[in-house]
Amino acid sequence: QKEVEQDPGPLSVPEGAIVSLNCTYSNSAFQYFMWYRQYSRKGPELLMYTYSSGNKEDGRFTAQVDKSSKYISLFIRDSQPSDSATYLCATFPFSGSARQLTFGSGTQLTVLP
Amino acid sequence: EAGVTQSPTHLIKTRGQQATLRCSPISGHTSVYWYQQALGLGLQFLLWYDEGEERNRGNFPPRFSGRQFPNYSSELNVNALELEDSALYLCASSPPGGANTEAFFGQGTRLTVV
Repeated sequence: QKEVEQDPGPLSVPEGAIVSLNCTYSNSAFQYFMWYRQYSRKGPELLMYTYSSGNKEDGRFTAQVDKSSKYISLFIRDSQPSDSATYLCATFPFSGSARQLTFGSGTQLTVLP
Repeated sequence: EAGVTQSPTHLIKTRGQQATLRCSPISGHTSVYWYQQALGLGLQFLLWYDEGEERNRGNFPPRFSGRQFPNYSSELNVNALELEDSALYLCASSPPGGANTEAFFGQGTRLTVV
């Protein structure tokens, strides 16, 4: 079993829709949770990160963490064609000695105009 | 400010050969991370260098190695290439004492082994 599971999609939605992207993780040591966006032929760029359970909002993006169920989500409101990309969840433990991120396999999102 | 730069963009090698990939971190960043992104597998952690030392290593065989130079740039070497080494290799950098949340990725080097 992978430490971080993510539905690979692909996911297609019409412009303006609310998008829900989800990951589950198995290791309770994971404390920080991040979402990256990766456009085709580009490196990942960090969208948001959160430490605690609950919601964190940034513009059209909301990250949600439920540590009790080991479930993390990213919601995109009013989705735009420019949001079409692969979205990767990532996590790492609090310990600074490891520094390695554990990624989900990514969900490919297409927002249709 | 220049971001993380990687070279070459694309690399084609024959099975059994050696590949060398290069990474220049953002100015002022001292940590460099290497990840492998194979098709459908997400990013897998390879190596972490900080202040010239290897600090952590992922679950990869010893033929994956690297180093960090005094100017904090880094090299990833893959020896005895196998077909399954074909992937996008991504480098990221972060500032001194920086957390993973401050790491920025480069565009990657697409390695194809034929």
